[in-house]
Amino acid sequence: EDKVVQSPLSLVVHEGDTVTLNCSYEVTNFRSLLWYKQEKKAPTFLFMLTSSGIEKKSGRLSSILDKKELFSILNITATQTGDSAIYLCALSFSYGKLTFGQGTILTVHP
Amino acid sequence: DVKVTQSSRYLVKRTGEKVFLECVQDMDHENMFWYRQDPGLGLRLIYFSYDVKMKEKGDIPEGYSVSREKKERFSLILESASTNQTSMYLCASTRDYSYEQYFGPGTRLTVT
Repeated sequence: EDKVVQSPLSLVVHEGDTVTLNCSYEVTNFRSLLWYKQEKKAPTFLFMLTSSGIEKKSGRLSSILDKKELFSILNITATQTGDSAIYLCALSFSYGKLTFGQGTILTVHP
Repeated sequence: DVKVTQSSRYLVKRTGEKVFLECVQDMDHENMFWYRQDPGLGLRLIYFSYDVKMKEKGDIPEGYSVSREKKERFSLILESASTNQTSMYLCASTRDYSYEQYFGPGTRLTVT
């Protein structure tokens, strides 16, 4: 089984804090690693990472992949209450098949 | 914008009933997927389809079947619903050779 493990499973912070979410995996034959944000409904796409060591950035969010150590991190700086969500990490395989981690539930208090 | 729609947001069924969950995408995507999402377990792939009438088992296909008669529509069938199939069901689609999946809003199914 292709295993993807996210940590922590849940996290509670205050507005303005910086958080780091972790995603580790055990397989190496994947096409890319993706991060999604899920609020009340459908997951929405954040980042796709295919190359090791290249940081992807979007506003206060950034992510990087380490193919040697088999992990990825998602950083959120200056958190806001609107960042409260489940953050999902997934590995992509042929046909676009995704294997997800358990998700990290982030709660940001005002 | 890609749109993936699911037939119901909430559904309540009785044990033993046959249940159909419908998913439609409007972007001519080749690949379609059905996941279930449970607390602490993330999204788990039930079945996927890479072409009309083609289907492949995912990680947890037991108790489910699927149908894809038209490219835009992918149905998930619970032949005889059981209480352990109470879950959130998410449909997704993607263009072939694309990495990003587009998700529908989900159907929360309760089996009593």
